[in-house]
Amino acid sequence: GAGVSQSPRYKVAKRGQDVALRCDPISGHVSLFWYQQALGQGPEFLTYFQNEAQLDKSGLPSDRFFAERPEGSVSTLKIQRTQQEDSAVYLCASTVGMGGINSNQPQHFGDGTRLSIL
Amino acid sequence: KQEVTQIPAALSVPEGENLVLNCSFTDSAIYNLQWFRQDPGKGLTSLLLIQSSQREQTSGRLNASLDKSSGRSTLYIAASQPGDSATYLCACRRDNAGNMLTFGGGTRLMVKP
Repeated sequence: GAGVSQSPRYKVAKRGQDVALRCDPISGHVSLFWYQQALGQGPEFLTYFQNEAQLDKSGLPSDRFFAERPEGSVSTLKIQRTQQEDSAVYLCASTVGMGGINSNQPQHFGDGTRLSIL
Repeated sequence: KQEVTQIPAALSVPEGENLVLNCSFTDSAIYNLQWFRQDPGKGLTSLLLIQSSQREQTSGRLNASLDKSSGRSTLYIAASQPGDSATYLCACRRDNAGNMLTFGGGTRLMVKP
C-alpha cells in the first residue's frame, strides 16, 4: 500500500484479556517503530525493528508487552493481561532505513489503533 | 534523558493571523528535529525535518527554525487558515545511532473563520 496501515482501528477489551495489534509498514521500509500515545499527550517510544531484528525495546513498559516482526515486514504488538492503564492509541511508523543518506528521512506514521480497556 | 516541551498547549486564533509555535528540548545533542501535524483520530503527518547542521526549513506557508545551542525550535505559520486546525508536535532524534523520536506534548491549534 501507499502508506503505513494499522489494524484494527479500534479495539475494546476487558481487563485481563490479551490483545494483538498489527502494523503493515510501507513496502520496502527497513525500519519500524511502535509508539504509545496517551490522550492529550505526545507519542512515547516503545520499540524499534530493523528488518526482523528488534534493536531497541527500552520503551516497553512491562514484560506484558511483546513485539515481533518475524519476516521483516508486518509487525505485531501484543499486550498480555491488559490493564486499564494500557488504554491509549498505539502508533506504528516506518522509514526507509537507518544510517548514511537515510539518516534524515522522516518517519511515516499509520493512523493508529485506539485501545480501550474496560 | 531528553525532555521536549511545547508551549502553548493550546492556541486559538482568527483566520489570516501569523503565528508561532514553540518547542524546547533539554539535550542539545540531537541529530535532527521534526515537526508533525496530527488531525483528530489520525496518525502523524511529517511537515518539516531540520537536520542538526541546519538552522531552518521552509515548506509553503510553514517555516521551522532550529537553535541547538539554546535548545529551541519554532514553527511559524503564515496567513493561517481554518484547515490548519490540528495538533502540532515536535520531536527530536537523539543521534545517528539513536533511532527513536522524543516528542513534545503538542500544541492544539484552532483557526477560527
